[in-house]
Parts: sequence; C-alpha cells; structure tokens
Amino acid sequence: DAKTTQPPSMDCAEGRAANLPCNHSTISGNEYVYWYRQIHSQGPQYIIHGLKNNETNEMASLIITEDRKSSTLILPHATLRDTAVYYCIVRVDSNYQLIWGAGTKLIIKP
Amino acid sequence: NAGVMQNPRHLVRRRGQEARLRCSPMKGHSHVYWYRQLPEEGLKFMVYLQKENIIDESGMPKERFSAEFPKEGPSILRIQQVVRGDSAAYFCASSSSPGNTIYFGEGSWLTVV
Repeated sequence: DAKTTQPPSMDCAEGRAANLPCNHSTISGNEYVYWYRQIHSQGPQYIIHGLKNNETNEMASLIITEDRKSSTLILPHATLRDTAVYYCIVRVDSNYQLIWGAGTKLIIKP
Repeated sequence: NAGVMQNPRHLVRRRGQEARLRCSPMKGHSHVYWYRQLPEEGLKFMVYLQKENIIDESGMPKERFSAEFPKEGPSILRIQQVVRGDSAAYFCASSSSPGNTIYFGEGSWLTVV
C-alpha cells in the first residue's frame, strides 16, 4: 500500500472548519483513501473513505484531488470533542492490513 | 447496532501470568483482526481470523501469543507468561469481508507489573 504524509499537528478554533491534508503521491488506481481518528485512550474510529470522487457523510467531507495524489478531510464545524489524532490510510480494497502512520494531532481550541 | 465489543477494558497481570482478551465482532461480521499499540506508537497488525480459521498471523509474535475465533463465542487473544514489554493497548476490529470497512473496538489495555 502507498505511504501517506500528514502534518504532525494542527490547531483549529471551535466552530470553525478543520481541514486536514494528506499526501499520497504514490497511490495506485485501485487504492482507496481511508480516514480514521483516535481520541485519547479510545479505539480508532472510522470516519470516511473514497476512491476518486468527493465523499460526505454525517461526520466529515473528503476531498480528493483529480490526480489523487492528495486529499483533505474536512470537519465542517469542529467541536472540542473532535480533538484527536487523525490518520489517513491508503488501502487496496482486498488488503485487510491497515498501515498506520503517525497521523495528525488535531487540537480544537475554545 | 452494537459495535465491536472488547473486554476487559483494563487488565493488570504480574510477569509470568496469562492474559486473555476477548472480542465480539459487530453483528453480521465474520472477519476479525487484532492490532497492538505500544505506548506512543502506531497500531500494528497482529492476526486476522475468520470463524474457526486463522487466515494471517504474520504480525503475531511466534511465542507466547495465540488467537482463536471459535464457531460459537468471541475471539480470544491469549498471551502466556506475560512480560513487561507486552504492556500495550490491544485493539480488535471486524469487517463483513476483508475488503470492506474495518471497525474497531475500544481496546483492552494490558499492564504487566
């Protein structure tokens, strides 16, 4: 699976949109982009995933560039409970082994 | 729809004792995965099981660790003769097929004293 690069940390004001970038320049055509987050002392929580098109669900939006070499996770109205480490993972859909990088530590400030 | 259930959440064992961690997958999921997270590190894959079968145990230490997923009941991760280095968070995850979204439980935190 392709590697991903994320900034180690980001701050965002409560109520604002949090935009978390991820670079995956070596992504293959059949690899999906998955996002998970891990709140301190909890298990990883699935957020969203996509292949080519932008995706939106009740938690977030995922914007994937046309060349698929990068993506952005958007939390539209960040709350204090969104403080967590966010992981961007690229994955062939047949591959059950998720490769976890260091992620982005997102801190939401009041 | 209950998520992935793990127990115990916290477990303390003395060196040399055995630790048993249990995992019930999400309803309708028959594929179970175990991951380990050492302090200040990322999650590392340990083992993938389907009912009564170990599909891939490439990430599991060869000694002292074993996993099962019986026909009835939860999946069990067993660590024999625990050592301090086994102290970690152990996460179970499940999916309806290997290619579908994988959902995680809240983890079991093992502390070896």
